[in-house]
Amino acid sequence: SAVISQKPSRDICQRGTSLTIQCQVDSQVTMMFWYRQQPGQSLTLIATANQGSEATYESGFVIDKFPISRPNLTFSTLTVSNMSPEDSSIYLCSVERGPRNEQYFGPGTRLTVT
Amino acid sequence: AQSVTQLDSHVSVSEGTPVLLRCNYSSSYSPSLFWYVQHPNKGLQLLLKYTSAATLVKGINGFEAEFKKSETSFHLTKPSAHMSDAAEYFCVVSTYNFNKFYFGSGTKLNVKP
Repeated sequence: SAVISQKPSRDICQRGTSLTIQCQVDSQVTMMFWYRQQPGQSLTLIATANQGSEATYESGFVIDKFPISRPNLTFSTLTVSNMSPEDSSIYLCSVERGPRNEQYFGPGTRLTVT
Repeated sequence: AQSVTQLDSHVSVSEGTPVLLRCNYSSSYSPSLFWYVQHPNKGLQLLLKYTSAATLVKGINGFEAEFKKSETSFHLTKPSAHMSDAAEYFCVVSTYNFNKFYFGSGTKLNVKP
């Protein structure tokens, strides 16, 4: 398995501001993923982050709104920019690990935008 | 394209009775399939995975799932529910190179005493 931590665990932010979420893994991984879980909904992949290259975004998500950094093999950040109440969600990072490439998830960051 | 459909948004069972959570998948390739559980205010935990080995997969906490290609199904079962099984369960399909996970809409399991 993998030990994954996220900071902050939760935050309440004002409309129009930005929040950067950090994801730290206990060992080096090639691929990291960012997901969004809106209230009462399932998880949706935002982007895939490989170290040394730009993140790959899924349909409906853009770099200007969700810039991602991946400075090394154990760390990534996701910024939620110019927030609106619709951005209120749980944001999770995950890493690919194991003999069959299963994904392990961080505890999530619960974001509320007022 | 890959997708999963979880046929029930809510399932309610009595403690000690069997659990069946249904999942159908669509995949352009031989899929890899997973079940994850999410307890309230807790992170996602991997229950079990199918990756083209045995079609009957055993996971943690007594859960099993059977891959049926002819039915494109990967239903999750447990012979006897415990109160601690109350949670939300997600069926997941991944792309052939495992890079992307596609989550089902989730099934909330309620266990009555």
